[in-house]
Amino acid sequence: GAVVSQHPSRVICKSGTSVKIECRSLDFQATTMFWYRQFPKQSLMLMATSNEGSKATYEQGVEKDKFLINHASLTLSTLTVTSAHPEDSSFYICSAASTANQPQHFGDGTRLSIL
Amino acid sequence: AQTVTQSQPEMSVQEAETVTLSCTYDTSESDYYLFWYKQPPSRQMILVIRQEAYKQQNATENRFSVNFQKAAKSFSLKISDSQLGDAAMYFCAYRSYGGSQGNLIFGKGTKLSVKP
Repeated sequence: GAVVSQHPSRVICKSGTSVKIECRSLDFQATTMFWYRQFPKQSLMLMATSNEGSKATYEQGVEKDKFLINHASLTLSTLTVTSAHPEDSSFYICSAASTANQPQHFGDGTRLSIL
Repeated sequence: AQTVTQSQPEMSVQEAETVTLSCTYDTSESDYYLFWYKQPPSRQMILVIRQEAYKQQNATENRFSVNFQKAAKSFSLKISDSQLGDAAMYFCAYRSYGGSQGNLIFGKGTKLSVKP
């Protein structure tokens, strides 16, 4: 149980393109979802926390207009990287939890490459 | 703010041997959770083991066990009978107990290699 699906697994696109990444909890309802960013050979850095039906809480230094997060249902959260540039290239990972204090279950991640 | 430190960027172990990965953390909170996650080359984060700070007994999951020293703020992971499939990045993580956020704070990771 507790499967989180993240799609797509890899995206390669041109600079200026907006990219949407989906994170779905397949067999449980996730009131809380987290979005992380991971640079090569580095740790995961929390970008934002989203709670179903409310606005996401962004970490300091993360541009909310750049990284749009929507958590409209208990099984789906999306991260949209708007007008992506090469410096946005990274590995993005989502996690989901039934409540904020329950264990987080991670998706497989999305490798984003901006040319 | 809480911090998590993993002082070993890389570790190596012979297959079937035992290895211990170190983790220390800093917090002023008394209740919290600690985790070890494994990230193989496939990049998926896999929960290895979890420890609640209020529990004195060290958590154990098959070949994986922890040495939790709350006073020293230390949380090491011991892998017994190492297998080739254990090769991965291992991240120690902290999470506050209670509250509405519940986000994880990760260490920088330790890359574990297993030699056949």
